[in-house]
Amino acid sequence: AQKVTQAQTEISVVEKEDVTLDCVYETRDTTYYLFWYKQPPSGELVFLIRRNSFDEQNEISGRYSWNFQKSTSSFNFTITASQVVDSAVYFCALLSAAGGSGNTGKLIFGQGTTLQVKP
Amino acid sequence: EAQVTQNPRYLITVTGKKLTVTCSQNMNHEYMSWYRQDPGLGLRQIYYSMNVEVTDKGDVPEGYKVSRKEKRNFPLILESPSPNQTSLYFCASSLVWSGSGYGYTFGSGTRLTVV
Repeated sequence: AQKVTQAQTEISVVEKEDVTLDCVYETRDTTYYLFWYKQPPSGELVFLIRRNSFDEQNEISGRYSWNFQKSTSSFNFTITASQVVDSAVYFCALLSAAGGSGNTGKLIFGQGTTLQVKP
Repeated sequence: EAQVTQNPRYLITVTGKKLTVTCSQNMNHEYMSWYRQDPGLGLRQIYYSMNVEVTDKGDVPEGYKVSRKEKRNFPLILESPSPNQTSLYFCASSLVWSGSGYGYTFGSGTRLTVV
């Protein structure tokens, strides 16, 4: 079975604090993709990153960084020096590549982590 | 601007009255799909399309229809809406089914209420 678990339902931090959002996934497929999306209060889903299962390099983009560890099936997201504009719901998602006609492009989303950054 | 456009953004309708939520993308993407987002249930795929004239069911297709006659458009049709279809709906598109390096681009969402 494929599953994504975001154990932190809500996190509250004060501006400028660093915060890490956890994501643990389950899949039996050897080829898969992991994503993070941001859903601000306005409701749209904003793409942040896509990682494939063969690339365990950590990624940094400005204040955002991602740590992918296949050994623990985790794909954690860290925001450095958080800002009020970072307040949103963050979703981790898994796309498994079963191969052939089994590929559906279906994202398996976690339940999301609500991040509140207070001034 | 590269985008996925959904219309309408908000809709209140009555049970049984057929409606269509439109979705259009201007990025020449092959892959398109529909999701619904519900509290406690998260985001679930309704239908997807690998390319023109190729559509298939996702996890929760009951009560919905789709068509893909042109590459850019992927409308979601509710022929006889019921209150359990009250939800936030998202259309998404991508260059290919696996998301490509730019992931899936989502529309702004359609908040549907069926009374």
